[in-house]
Amino acid sequence: GAGVSQSPSNKVTEKGKDVELRCDPISGHTALYWYRQSLGQGLEFLIYFQGNSAPDKSGLPSDRFSAERTGGSVSTLTIQRTQQEDSAVYLCASSLTGTQTQYFGPGTRLLVL
Amino acid sequence: RKEVEQDPGPFNVPEGATVAFNCTYSNSASQSFFWYRQDCRKEPKLLMSVYSSGNEDGRFTAQLNRASQYISLLIRDSKLSDSATYLCVVSERGMTTDSWGKLQFGAGTQVVVTP
Repeated sequence: GAGVSQSPSNKVTEKGKDVELRCDPISGHTALYWYRQSLGQGLEFLIYFQGNSAPDKSGLPSDRFSAERTGGSVSTLTIQRTQQEDSAVYLCASSLTGTQTQYFGPGTRLLVL
Repeated sequence: RKEVEQDPGPFNVPEGATVAFNCTYSNSASQSFFWYRQDCRKEPKLLMSVYSSGNEDGRFTAQLNRASQYISLLIRDSKLSDSATYLCVVSERGMTTDSWGKLQFGAGTQVVVTP
């Protein structure tokens, strides 16, 4: 079956612009996670959605970052007024429930010039 | 101090040899532990969960030492295809809860298996 998909696969933007990153989880998966991975670094947790519960936003680095998940499926991560330090690979993962294996999408490579 | 620390390597391993490496975690409340594998410029994939008593999956053996707060991964009879970065992952929540919630990832240990 189809895995987690993310779009765009690559995004180049200018400092100060807003960007939207999209994640389509595996159908039926109730849990969805966003991470970012900077070059040579581990994954940094950003936000976690589980069913209808309030999302865990504790990993969002600043108020320029926000995410939503509509209809319990597709999620959008928005970065406002992008900065060069936002350049990274943004990875989305989903799992059937909160305690099942997380399946990762291929990521969106964001470059802020 | 990072919550999950790993030796970045690289560990250069001859094909057929055994390699082992550790990961330390700082949060004593951590309850769930995993190893993920990440190939170059690819997404991470779950390799195995780590159970209190230790567990094996084929050529891979994982151990947990709660007292010293580290987990280990041992790869026997290394294959060229084992070349990857191995990510240590820790959660505060147990596997019997309804959600693992926030996972803490280490930066990874790079393993290079050579012919």
